[in-house]
Amino acid sequence: SQQGEEDPQALSIQEGENATMNCSYKTSINNLQWYRQNSGRGLVHLILIRSNEREKHSGRLRVTLDTSKKSSSLLITASRAADTASYFCATPPGPSNTGKLIFGQGTTLQVKP
Amino acid sequence: GAGVSQSPSNKVTEKGKDVELRCDPISGHTALYWYRQRLGQGLEFLIYFQGNSAPDKSGLPSDRFSAERTGESVSTLTIQRTQQEDSAVYLCASSLGVRGANSPLHFGNGTRLTVT
Repeated sequence: SQQGEEDPQALSIQEGENATMNCSYKTSINNLQWYRQNSGRGLVHLILIRSNEREKHSGRLRVTLDTSKKSSSLLITASRAADTASYFCATPPGPSNTGKLIFGQGTTLQVKP
Repeated sequence: GAGVSQSPSNKVTEKGKDVELRCDPISGHTALYWYRQRLGQGLEFLIYFQGNSAPDKSGLPSDRFSAERTGESVSTLTIQRTQQEDSAVYLCASSLGVRGANSPLHFGNGTRLTVT
């Protein structure tokens, strides 16, 4: 069953602009993770935010988590052509930490030089 | 090795044949996952191994799919009597699992399976 749903499905922006991707989930969780996938490659972990955190930063990445709305957003500031990739959110299937992760369908980001 | 290794990287097989996909996780990672990704789609959970616990097989799409893991090392995903709808990229990932709470997954580059 699908836990996380990303929005939009696809996003195209110019280099230098900011990109915002959203993820909604269905059940209570203890953490949410964002991953990136370049074409033809495996996924790479970007950032993890815990349920007691509201915002987290890593370089040009900013992730927010709103547990009341069961949603998270990933903001990439000052985007670069190299940021072109698919971005996925991943959550546990429920509130307990079993280690299992369920991925959403992803947002495909294209950054035009 | 430094990362998760999957083999083969590409596999073309005829409909009805069996295939075996291999995953070598990062040493020390107790958790191992298999996902399937169809072209342009998200990741579909297949199976999850955590240490010596019984694996979570809830994502396996049919009894043609099975997976094994030897201790905390290599895993093989077997698809019997392959069908064209099995064509996809099969991704393996490992993590520290529940020993390292909320630990991130490390992915291999996948095996691209094409069933003709």
